[in-house]
Amino acid sequence: KQEVTQIPAALSVPEGENLVLNCSFTDSAIYNLQWFRQDPGKGLTSLLLIQSSQREQTSGRLNASLDKSSGRSTLYIAASQPGDSATYLCAVYRSGSEKLVFGKGMKLTVNP
Amino acid sequence: NAGVTQTPKFQVLKTGQSMTLQCAQDMNHEYMSWYRQDPGMGLRLIHYSVGAGITDQGEVPNGYNVSRSTTEDFPLRLLSAAPSQTSVYFCATRPRRGREQYFGPGTRLTVT
Repeated sequence: KQEVTQIPAALSVPEGENLVLNCSFTDSAIYNLQWFRQDPGKGLTSLLLIQSSQREQTSGRLNASLDKSSGRSTLYIAASQPGDSATYLCAVYRSGSEKLVFGKGMKLTVNP
Repeated sequence: NAGVTQTPKFQVLKTGQSMTLQCAQDMNHEYMSWYRQDPGMGLRLIHYSVGAGITDQGEVPNGYNVSRSTTEDFPLRLLSAAPSQTSVYFCATRPRRGREQYFGPGTRLTVT
């Protein structure tokens, strides 16, 4: 059974710091991994999608890496801003399954 | 493009009542899914559809019914609401290739 873990559950940092968010998964037979952002009371916004054949993806100040063999992904946020405050979730698609398996998320607070 | 829309945004039901949560998309995506999000449990797949006329069960299907008569719409029916169905419900869509998921804004349901 695929399990996705995000540690820590919450993080509070001052503005300007470079951040690393961690995601680990137990089954390396994944099709892809997707990082989302969720603001309070809102839906999920897709940030980055990494196919299983890729090692990393970049979008603006965000960079996500994937290491299938170790079952890990990291989301790097450069020069954090108060507007980055949100809950960040990672999710994996197992090969041959339609179910997207989510971690429980990490609540990020960036203080001005 | 509206993307993925969900109605209503909020709903309060009494135990035993039935209702339908609506989901519509204008991206011409074949795949549509329903997830529920509960504190401490993360997001869990309820039902999904790989195209008009085709549906299948996810991880937590009991108490819910779906059908898909068009590509655009994928309603979720609660047959007899129970307090355990109090949750936030998200509809998601994805194209056949790539598997990047797009989520709607959610419906917050309370069953008393």
